[in-house]
Amino acid sequence: GQQLNQSPQSMFIQEGEDVSMNCTSSSIFNTWLWYKQDPGEGPVLLIALYKAGELTSNGRLTAQFGITRKDSFLNISASIPSDVGIYFCAGQLKWVQGAQKLVFGQGTRLTINP
Amino acid sequence: AAGVIQSPRHLIKEKRETATLKCYPIPRHDTVYWYQQGPGQDPQFLISFYEKMQSDKGSIPDRFSAQQFSDYHSELNMSSLELGDSALYFCASSLEKREGTDTQYFGPGTRLTVL
Repeated sequence: GQQLNQSPQSMFIQEGEDVSMNCTSSSIFNTWLWYKQDPGEGPVLLIALYKAGELTSNGRLTAQFGITRKDSFLNISASIPSDVGIYFCAGQLKWVQGAQKLVFGQGTRLTINP
Repeated sequence: AAGVIQSPRHLIKEKRETATLKCYPIPRHDTVYWYQQGPGQDPQFLISFYEKMQSDKGSIPDRFSAQQFSDYHSELNMSSLELGDSALYFCASSLEKREGTDTQYFGPGTRLTVL
């Protein structure tokens, strides 16, 4: 089945540093999504990418949809304490109208030292 | 903006009991997905519904069933509960009818504990 490899699994950084994480897949997706999850809460959508090569920003967050459609990265600039949490990438392969599941990466746990 | 609503937020059950989880999608969304997330794990897809019809099925046990009603809300029914069913259960909704707007938005989850 489809699998996403997300790295790194955890990061320990200083406040103000930039963060980079990525996801790779053995198969293609036509949508990549990045979510942030706080403990005991639902994943919150950060960025959605719909086209290969697309580079999208949302405030201090920047994400790109790889040109091969098998990878994506997320960058966070100038990290702040509220960035702490678990970041998940998710891929979706959809060709026809109708529900199509998300396949998630294993998550990147971000810890920030003030 | 209105979000996905899930109830209850917390549920404690004994082994072999049944549980019903409810999901109310974002208004006008026509598609519902259910995911299960174990401790320290990523969410795993269980089942989805588009326009009240089952659309896709993942690793959902036969003891579980789900449906989407005419008002688009969905219920996940879980019977003969096992200890291993303890997890966070998320519902997500999306609008499939309009191209480019099928992004899935997640609810806050139901934490199920089976004792």
